[in-house]
Formats: sequence, structure tokens, C-alpha cells
Amino acid sequence: EPEVTQTPSHQVTQMGQEVILRCVPISNHLYFYWYRQILGQKVEFLVSFYNNEISEKSEIFDDQFSVERPDGSNFTLKIRSTKLEDSAMYFCASREPGQQYFGPGTRLTVL
Amino acid sequence: AQTVTQSQPEMSVQEAETVTLSCTYDTSESDYYLFWYKQPPSRQMILVIRQEAYKQQNATENRFSVNFQKAAKSFSLKISDSQLGDAAMYFCAWSIGGSEKLVFGKGTKLTVNP
Repeated sequence: EPEVTQTPSHQVTQMGQEVILRCVPISNHLYFYWYRQILGQKVEFLVSFYNNEISEKSEIFDDQFSVERPDGSNFTLKIRSTKLEDSAMYFCASREPGQQYFGPGTRLTVL
Repeated sequence: AQTVTQSQPEMSVQEAETVTLSCTYDTSESDYYLFWYKQPPSRQMILVIRQEAYKQQNATENRFSVNFQKAAKSFSLKISDSQLGDAAMYFCAWSIGGSEKLVFGKGTKLTVNP
């Protein structure tokens, strides 16, 4: 069964460093998403991406964040200068109409 | 603003018993989807069940079923014959057409007692 994959599973970085989280969505899906879950809290929408551009973003998704689909398979989330409060689980998702499929997540720890 | 409310931070159930998790939502949209996701300790998000708002019939998936009350904006999840593997966080979520971003509730932690 097709699935969304994410790498790395765990990323540790120093405050102020740049990180890139990678996702491979399901191949025939056209919409892609990033969500964030701070430990013990609810899952929050960050950004949606369609047709090689952002279709919607939340207020969390400020200028420190960017997304890219550098080739036909990967979908990346870049955090330019990480803060302590960026420590969270980051989920990628892709969708068919009416249903999103989540990847296993990347746990980002900012020290 | 669209919101999803889960009023039960924690619930517990005896193995083989039935438990119902509550969810309410607020929207002015008429066409939308509702979901229950399970998040075990691994933190993977697993879709349990979904409901299209235009369908009056309640969705069922094996031991999982929903009670969808559109007028009341209520979407509860019933788990029958609870199993130890059902222990997890359960998140209710909502989305509309277009970008279909998901809006999540805060979750209910379900404990299954042997």
C-alpha cells in the first residue's frame, strides 16, 4: 500500500541553525501539507501546497519557514533559523479527495 | 473561526467494553468532512474513520462507528469491544473542500484496562 515517508525520523539542532525536513508524498497525490504538534498539544496546520505553490498557510508559518518541491517526488519544509519553540513533531501529509494520509513524522529538537 | 472541541481530556474503558468519545465543531460551511485519528505512543497519525457531512448515514469501520448529528454539530466516536491496542490519543478533525486543511481538536487520551 502506498504511504507517505519522512526523513529524518529525529533531528537535533542548535538554536539558530537551518533545518530541512523531507517528505515523499504518495505519488499520484496533488495536494501536500505540513502540520506541527508540540509535545502534549494538538496537531496544528502549517501550510498546504498545490501546483508548485502555497495554497494556504497559517499564522505560524512565518518568514522563517519555507516549502519546496525540488523534484517530482520530494516535498521539503525548511526552517531558516530555528528557535527553541520550534521543537515539535512535524508531520507531512498528502491527499486524495476527502482524505489525507500522514507520514510517520519527524521529531525536531532544538537545543 | 472553525473550531473543534473535545471535552474529554482522558477516558478509560475496560477491555471488551464500549466507550464513546465526544467531539463538537463549529462551522458555517455546509459541505465538509469529519475524521477521527488515532495517535499511539509512536505518534503516527492513523485514520480511524471519516464522515462526509452530506451523508446522513453514520460511518462504520469494524468496531468503530460514529454518531454524526449535523444540526447539533456533534461527531462522537464509539469503540465497541475495546482492545488493549485501542489505547491511544484520539483526535477529532474537520476539513472543508478546496485546500482541505485539517483542523484538530485537543485530543482524548484513551486508556484500556485489562
